Amino acid sequence: SQQGEEDPQALSIQEGENATMNCSYKTSINNLQWYRQNSGRGLVHLILIRSNEREKHSGRLRVTLDTSKKSSSLLITASRAADTASYFCATDEGGTASKLTFGTGTRLQVTL
Amino acid sequence: KAGVTQTPRYLIKTRGQQVTLSCSPISGHRSVSWYQQTPGQGLQFLFEYFSETQRNKGNFPGRFSGRQFSNSRSEMNVSTLELGDSALYLCASSSRGGRENGANVLTFGAGSRLTVL
Repeated sequence: SQQGEEDPQALSIQEGENATMNCSYKTSINNLQWYRQNSGRGLVHLILIRSNEREKHSGRLRVTLDTSKKSSSLLITASRAADTASYFCATDEGGTASKLTFGTGTRLQVTL
Repeated sequence: KAGVTQTPRYLIKTRGQQVTLSCSPISGHRSVSWYQQTPGQGLQFLFEYFSETQRNKGNFPGRFSGRQFSNSRSEMNVSTLELGDSALYLCASSSRGGRENGANVLTFGAGSRLTVL
């Protein structure tokens, strides 16, 4: 089952702009992760935020988590063409660490 | 360190056949998970193995099965293939029993793209 819904489904921006994508989930979690997938390839882990954290940074990435609203956002600053990919949030649904539940994904297109 | 290796990368089968996909995890990783990715259903969890034991299973019919060997390599099998089984099958491994400080961070392979005709 799909735990998370991501918004928007698709996003097109120009290089240098910021990209924000959002994820909502349904059950309690211990942590939330973001992954990136280039077309038809495997996913790459980007960043993890724990349920007791509100914000986390990694390079050009900033993730926020609001457990009261069961939502998270991923901000990519100063986007580059190489950031073009699909981005997925993933949660340990109900605290089951061995099973990650992925959102529907946001397809990001960064143009020159 | 070599990444997660999945074979074959592409395969075409016909309805009713069966298929076996293979996954070699990162050296030292004992947890292997499998996911199915389709345009309609997105990423769906199939199962997770740790030390040759299935720890968790998704909502898939019994035609989908898997196993893990003592060297942590894993295989998944789909019998009596249906058109709807066409998908990208992704394998992922993680370290420390699937829990790094309480979190299961996955390293994915490139996937096996199955087409059922």
